[in-house]
Amino acid sequence: SQTIHQWPATLVQPVGSPLSLECTVEGTSNPNLYWYRQAAGRGLQLLFYSVGIGQISSEVPQNLSASRPQDRQFILSSKKLLLSDSGFYLCAWSRDRPHGYTFGSGTRLTVV
Amino acid sequence: DQQVKQNSPSLSVQEGRISILNCDYTNSMFDYFLWYKKYPAEGPTFLISISSIKDKNEDGRFTVFLNKSAKHLSLHIVPSQPGDSAVYFCAPTYGGATNKLIFGTGTLLAVQP
Repeated sequence: SQTIHQWPATLVQPVGSPLSLECTVEGTSNPNLYWYRQAAGRGLQLLFYSVGIGQISSEVPQNLSASRPQDRQFILSSKKLLLSDSGFYLCAWSRDRPHGYTFGSGTRLTVV
Repeated sequence: DQQVKQNSPSLSVQEGRISILNCDYTNSMFDYFLWYKKYPAEGPTFLISISSIKDKNEDGRFTVFLNKSAKHLSLHIVPSQPGDSAVYFCAPTYGGATNKLIFGTGTLLAVQP
């Protein structure tokens, strides 16, 4: 069966510090991978998606970047965090449509 | 540009009664609609879906209705149970290999015992 792992579960980082969140998928190959963010009181906003190794599409201009160094690994990064980067970050994978997504358990990021 | 709107941020229902969650969309290209349920500090989980070629899909206590002309869909939960208390997101998608889901703003459902 397929599983998705996301870590860490919680993170408190000072403004200006770097960020690296990792997501890995097991039990499938060539998945579509996604990073979403849920800001306080807001819905789920798509940040990045990837249909293959090294292929990254950005949905919203921001202070973050994503990379996919391996087929089942998706990384969300920042060189310098802003207060506005605080939120709940979710990684997800899917197969070809119309299948839905399977989400990871999320990372609560607080920038102080 | 908010393509998907859930105009009720919250809904409170008595246990055993019907819960109706609504979702409106603007993009006529959406052809597949999913509902997700989310508990605090957890990732969303898939609940039910409907294709644009249908107007109703039922799965146990959950039924989704789609009105394409009105660009409106709704999720009915009957009977509602306290364990249904969560945030519900509608998430349409349209063609392409990327399979991008566009999530609504969510509705917090509270089922009172």
